Amino acid sequence: EIVLTQSPDFQSVTPKEKVTITCRASQSIGGNLHWYQQKPDQSPKILIRYASQSFSGVPSRFSGSGSGTDFTLTINGLEAEDAATYYCHQSNNLPHTFGQGTKLEIK
Amino acid sequence: EVQLVDSGGNLVQPGGSLRLSCAASGFTVSSNYMSWVRQAPGKGLEWVSVFYRSGDTYYADSVKGRFIISRDNSKNTVYLHMNSLRAEDTAVYYCARGGGNSDFDYWGQGTLVTVSS
Repeated sequence: EIVLTQSPDFQSVTPKEKVTITCRASQSIGGNLHWYQQKPDQSPKILIRYASQSFSGVPSRFSGSGSGTDFTLTINGLEAEDAATYYCHQSNNLPHTFGQGTKLEIK
Repeated sequence: EVQLVDSGGNLVQPGGSLRLSCAASGFTVSSNYMSWVRQAPGKGLEWVSVFYRSGDTYYADSVKGRFIISRDNSKNTVYLHMNSLRAEDTAVYYCARGGGNSDFDYWGQGTLVTVSS
């Protein structure tokens, strides 16, 4: 099973700040890494697919990069509505696995 | 518009059974990979099972031999049959489109399963 490790687990940030969340895979997964946003009491929503492709309708401040084992989700110009937990997910191998999540708090 | 509606969650005793449903609209389930993902209270996301377009099915080790994923093309609905339920199966269960080597691009609203005596 591929283990995904996100960092940090929690971050408190101010609006307009740039945020970087990393996801490291226990073995190479090529570009089969996706990012989701989950707000309290809501279903997860896809933000970035295949490491760097933005899903339709996702604000341009969200971007992704990386390949192999190291991946990054960047939020440029954080907004109050971005308070949520962010998860990475690998689809390279079964079982699909998720990172443990990164909770963003807006100051 | 793509929509997934999850239902069937309930309070059930340990050892009991339950069937979850995921009714899809705006696309055809038989032409897509369909998965179930769960989230225990206050915890992260855990993939449970996938139904491939080919009809193949796969399961997480934690549910293998107890859960069965199925599909009714005439109703455009995916099911999760859950047997021998344990306390650790308590979670919100989400249906999601995807699960091949792709992302989960659409999710249901989730349905809560509580396993307790």
